[in-house]
Amino acid sequence: DAKTTQPPSMDCAEGRAANLPCNHSTISGNEYVYWYRQIHSQGPQYIIHGLKNNETNEMASLIITEDRKSSTLILPHATLRDTAVYYCIVRPYNFGNEKLTFGTGTRLTIIP
Amino acid sequence: NAGVMQNPRHLVRRRGQEARLRCSPMKGHSHVYWYRQLPEEGLKFMVYLQKENIIDESGMPKERFSAEFPKEGPSILRIQQVVRGDSAAYFCASSPPVAGGAGRGSYNEQFFGPGTRLTVL
Repeated sequence: DAKTTQPPSMDCAEGRAANLPCNHSTISGNEYVYWYRQIHSQGPQYIIHGLKNNETNEMASLIITEDRKSSTLILPHATLRDTAVYYCIVRPYNFGNEKLTFGTGTRLTIIP
Repeated sequence: NAGVMQNPRHLVRRRGQEARLRCSPMKGHSHVYWYRQLPEEGLKFMVYLQKENIIDESGMPKERFSAEFPKEGPSILRIQQVVRGDSAAYFCASSPPVAGGAGRGSYNEQFFGPGTRLTVL
């Protein structure tokens, strides 16, 4: 079972920052937070992951609260191509436990 | 560097036939994962393989489904005697060998293929 809770859907205006929340109140100390997205039935695409510090890459920023019970994925300047289902996943850092457990995700729609 | 390749992209089978889905991981990747996505649902893990070994098959149905990742060639997901409920998108992902320690960036990242859409008539 997924250990995360996400809103089922969100809208965001094109060019604005999209902030996608995720609750993971039962996260363990050895678990990372991963974000993937799936654009219209394509294979999921990795976005970013983090443990406890905020992370940024060319696609997005990840803000993790100090107690690690929730996080926010930020797409700084959303474009129409960012319309997708976004999955927040917690995953142990444990060699041999490699599977990703997907929940229902957030369907993000970018509005022109 | 080519991404994860899956073929066929679309597969139609009649009930009772066999379906074979192929996955070629990215170059240098020795870990392969299969996931299934039923219509309007999220992805569900099926099986995790390394070359010639099944590491975790906790998501595989107990009957009719099997997977292999031989020393040479692609990984194969095989479904025998397909039923209508097997209609789904099947995604393969690959990842590189585990690094020597905690890392950043692509460490443990799974790269997904475009999927095979199986339709059972």
